[in-house]
Amino acid sequence: DAGVIQSPRHEVTEMGQEVTLRCKPISGHDYLFWYRQTMMRGLELLIYFNNNVPIDDSGMPEDRFSAKMPNASFSTLKIQPSEPRDSAVYFCASSSSGARIYGYTFGSGTRLTVV
Amino acid sequence: AQRVTQPEKLLSVFKGAPVELKCNYSYSGSPELFWYVQYSRQRLQLLLRHISRESIKGFTADLNKGETSFHLKKPFAQEEDSAMYYCALANQAGTALIFGKGTTLSVSS
Repeated sequence: DAGVIQSPRHEVTEMGQEVTLRCKPISGHDYLFWYRQTMMRGLELLIYFNNNVPIDDSGMPEDRFSAKMPNASFSTLKIQPSEPRDSAVYFCASSSSGARIYGYTFGSGTRLTVV
Repeated sequence: AQRVTQPEKLLSVFKGAPVELKCNYSYSGSPELFWYVQYSRQRLQLLLRHISRESIKGFTADLNKGETSFHLKKPFAQEEDSAMYYCALANQAGTALIFGKGTTLSVSS
């Protein structure tokens, strides 16, 4: 298994543009998590899904942020419109019902820069 | 409210010196706590979890419910220990991890 795959690895965009980050979880994992990493705030949980259903989106900072999981093998995090303060590394992680918090596997992250 | 506090952003030590990375938590009930490590340009990976009471790469962590702490310790730091360390707490449902802000450990010779 190639692990959790995120794309793109790096994204540079202009303020006001729409940004879409992608994640492919490990096959068989039914939990998927989106985190944002910044120097100031550390690693923040934005939203997580179970069996493609959003369970807790209380960490999503604003309505400009949205996340979807149309099927078990794909999720997107969209920011529209993007702002410079959204610049961060966005991580996706997945786990299984059996392992839950004990089986977190992280992706390599997407480094987003909004100029 | 569930919260993890790592008071130090940066900890610099010399090779061979003892290391203690501090972690305090706020939680109602019995917490489940973890330490994750992120080496330069690598993914976050699990270092250890309190229920296992194990030692990984010479690191140990003891849960102190009285002080609500889960500090990470190593008696003799190595240069390869230089990394970002995150303390994490399971949410009430046991389905997601809440992370602290992280501490960068720098070990120099």
